[in-house]
Amino acid sequence: AQKVTQAQTEISVVEKEDVTLDCVYETRDTTYYLFWYKQPPSGELVFLIRRNSFDEQNEISGRYSWNFQKSTSSFNFTITASQVVDSAVYFCALSDLSGGSNYKLTFGKGTLLTVNP
Amino acid sequence: EPEVTQTPSHQVTQMGQEVILRCVPISNHLYFYWYRQILGQKVEFLVSFYNNEISEKSEIFDDQFSVERPDGSNFTLKIRSTKLEDSAMYFCASSAGRKGALHFGNGTRLTVT
Repeated sequence: AQKVTQAQTEISVVEKEDVTLDCVYETRDTTYYLFWYKQPPSGELVFLIRRNSFDEQNEISGRYSWNFQKSTSSFNFTITASQVVDSAVYFCALSDLSGGSNYKLTFGKGTLLTVNP
Repeated sequence: EPEVTQTPSHQVTQMGQEVILRCVPISNHLYFYWYRQILGQKVEFLVSFYNNEISEKSEIFDDQFSVERPDGSNFTLKIRSTKLEDSAMYFCASSAGRKGALHFGNGTRLTVT
């Protein structure tokens, strides 16, 4: 069975601080995808990144960066110089490919990030 | 940028009533999904749909639930006889398969009274 653990339930930072959101996953599959989604107070799920299990290169997109460590089954997300607009719930998710090209995502419980001015 | 659209944004229904949630996936996508999120909890997979049939479903997706692609653009989730515990945010999603990301709609908040 797959599992995604986001141990940090809530994080509160002051604007311009860097913050890292942790994600640890469990799967028996050798091929899988990892995702991060942002859920702002308005409720929608905003796609941030998809990473496949064969690609361990870290990725940077503006103020966002992701650190994928297969050896520790972690896929952590860092926001540099946080802004108030970053305040949201962030979900990490895992999808194996046992269903072919289906995306059956297993989500973590989410981390509520509050960035204070 | 193309997006998944869901209607209505909020639906209130009485227990025992049938409800249909509607979604228009991204036009060139082939895989369609429904997920739900009970208030304050994590997002859970309900069902995936490909080539006009269900490809996978979760334990949550019991006989009260059904999905349909009635035409070339819409994808619907029907709950036959709603229960209080069906109150949740329902998200539709679509993907082009392994080649692309999984994009979610803005969700329909279903409230069963």
